[in-house]
Amino acid sequence: GNSVTQMEGPVTLSEEAFLTINCTYTATGYPSLFWYVQYPGEGLQLLLKATKADDKGSNKGFEATYRKETTSFHLEKGSVQVSDSAVYFCALRYSGAGSYQLTFGKGTKLSVIP
Amino acid sequence: KAGVTQTPRYLIKTRGQQVTLSCSPISGHRSVSWYQQTPGQGLQFLFEYFSETQRNKGNFPGRFSGRQFSNSRSEMNVSTLELGDSALYLCASSLGTEMGYGYTFGSGTRLTVV
Repeated sequence: GNSVTQMEGPVTLSEEAFLTINCTYTATGYPSLFWYVQYPGEGLQLLLKATKADDKGSNKGFEATYRKETTSFHLEKGSVQVSDSAVYFCALRYSGAGSYQLTFGKGTKLSVIP
Repeated sequence: KAGVTQTPRYLIKTRGQQVTLSCSPISGHRSVSWYQQTPGQGLQFLFEYFSETQRNKGNFPGRFSGRQFSNSRSEMNVSTLELGDSALYLCASSLGTEMGYGYTFGSGTRLTVV
């Protein structure tokens, strides 16, 4: 079946540090890939997405590139801020048997300290 | 425009009781999905509805049920509550069923079973 594997956290970085959160997936065919972010006490917000190989999703300084050859969708940001502290979820959406459900990774908690 | 609205935000129930959670999707969105989020299991898929039809169901016991109305609003019901049902229940809506569409999530209903 489909699955998503994320690097385990928590990840603690100083402000302005470079961020990478690794995400790899297993799926038949060509899924769409997403990064969601969850701030404390809130639901999930779509951060960025990519729908085909070599697509780069970007938003709010975050980027991720759909790498079919390595089945990866790593999240990066060049300079993190305290306000980026949250839990980040990698997810895929694949059409199988008429369903388009999201399959999520376990999440990676990011803490950014001043 | 209004986002995905879930009611109530918080709920405390006793073991053996039943509960109904409500979700109003973004106007125009016809696809609604439900997820359960717990610290141990992460985000797990419950159901997916499109135009009042259940398209897929996750691996949950029959105590968990749902439905979607003609206005796309959705409800989920859990009967004979167990302590392990304590979780954040998230509803998400999507414009359509194409894989590239990301879901917009509500803030969730925090259910505590005592």
